[in-house]
Amino acid sequence: KNEVEQSPQNLTAQEGEFITINCSYSVGISALHWLQQHPGGGIVSLFMLSSGKKKHGRLIATINIQEKHSSLHITASHPRDSAVYICPITGNQFYFGTGTSLTVIP
Amino acid sequence: ETGVTQTPRHLVMGMTNKKSLKCEQHLGHNAMYWYKQSAKKPLELMFVYNFKEQTENNSVPSRFSPECPNSSHLFLHLHTLQPEDSALYLCASSQEGRGPDTQYFGPGTRLTVL
Repeated sequence: KNEVEQSPQNLTAQEGEFITINCSYSVGISALHWLQQHPGGGIVSLFMLSSGKKKHGRLIATINIQEKHSSLHITASHPRDSAVYICPITGNQFYFGTGTSLTVIP
Repeated sequence: ETGVTQTPRHLVMGMTNKKSLKCEQHLGHNAMYWYKQSAKKPLELMFVYNFKEQTENNSVPSRFSPECPNSSHLFLHLHTLQPEDSALYLCASSQEGRGPDTQYFGPGTRLTVL
């Protein structure tokens, strides 16, 4: 069993839709990250969370430490949001999930 | 401009070659990381350097040899690689290597081993 599980693994949405990507983990953490990886491989760090909620533009990330769960929400999705979203966690070690591949269709 | 640069961006090498990947960060960070991303697999952390000292080595084969001469530069020396080592190699940096931290990634080097 992976320490980090993401769902869904693949997601296709219509432009403008509200999107939620989930991340569950099974170990103690000091922080959870949300990364965005575009088809060329480049990675952008979106958020680092240790509690609560953060917002940046159309992106919102939340974390519930008690439930060991985080969500990434994208409002008014756009084709340029198409990417793989990864939620690594840091604690005593680094753990990565397999990512969620998002495709937003115009 | 991410502040983390990697060279080369693409590399094709034979199994008997020796090559090196270079990473440079211009962010004043103290920790640097090497990751490997193979096709359809999660990111794998390979090495962590914190204040120029290696603090993590996740069971990486000895054909991968890291070097961190200072906190701004990180190298990954490659020798006698296997075709299954073909992957995207990503470098990242952060202020420190432990605790809550934001990592900044470079663009990656896409390596093909023939």
